[in-house]
Amino acid sequence: DAKTTQPTSMDCAEGRAANLPCNHSTISGNEYVYWYRQIHSQGPQYIIHGLKNNETNEMASLIITEDRKSSTLILPHATLRDTAVYYCIVGYGNKLVFGAGTILRVKS
Amino acid sequence: DAGVTQSPTHLIKTRGQQVTLRCSPKSGHDTVSWYQQALGQGPQFIFQYYEEEERQRGNFPDRFSGHQFPNYSSELNVNALLLGDSALYLCASSLLGAPIYAGGLADTQYFGPGTRLTVL
Repeated sequence: DAKTTQPTSMDCAEGRAANLPCNHSTISGNEYVYWYRQIHSQGPQYIIHGLKNNETNEMASLIITEDRKSSTLILPHATLRDTAVYYCIVGYGNKLVFGAGTILRVKS
Repeated sequence: DAGVTQSPTHLIKTRGQQVTLRCSPKSGHDTVSWYQQALGQGPQFIFQYYEEEERQRGNFPDRFSGHQFPNYSSELNVNALLLGDSALYLCASSLLGAPIYAGGLADTQYFGPGTRLTVL
């Protein structure tokens, strides 16, 4: 499974866009990029996934670079409830390999 | 549309005991995966069940075993509990997609709320 590198923590002002980067330089073949988040003591919540093209859903947007070696998760208008640990995972989804993730703190 | 459910919510056991955790997948899903999350760490993959068989397994000892029933629900069993087994146990369900080792379709997993196991 390809490994990912994420910043340990980030802060974001409420109402502003939160941009969470992820490096996955060893991504291969048709591996997908998945994003999950976990609010304290709850199960991880699926956010979005993509292969090559940028993706958008009701929660977030996913921007994948052309060489697929990095990606950015964008929360367009962060709220206090978006404070969580965000995990970037590369693979096929049937066996998720979680790293340490990024702690996103949204502040008022 | 019911999501993934797990029971019990919390559980306290003593060393050496055995425990069984239960999971009901999201409606329409046929595959169940189990993860262990120690405090302060990301979830670690234990194993995955599809068609009542273990489809793949992570780096966990044989003390961890599972079962999937015809209605797709699943159980995780842990024997001879150790203090280090204290963790949040997460169940995730999905609809079978890509083969394990080949590229292809994405297989999105949806998680339940977890069972907090404390071993004393």
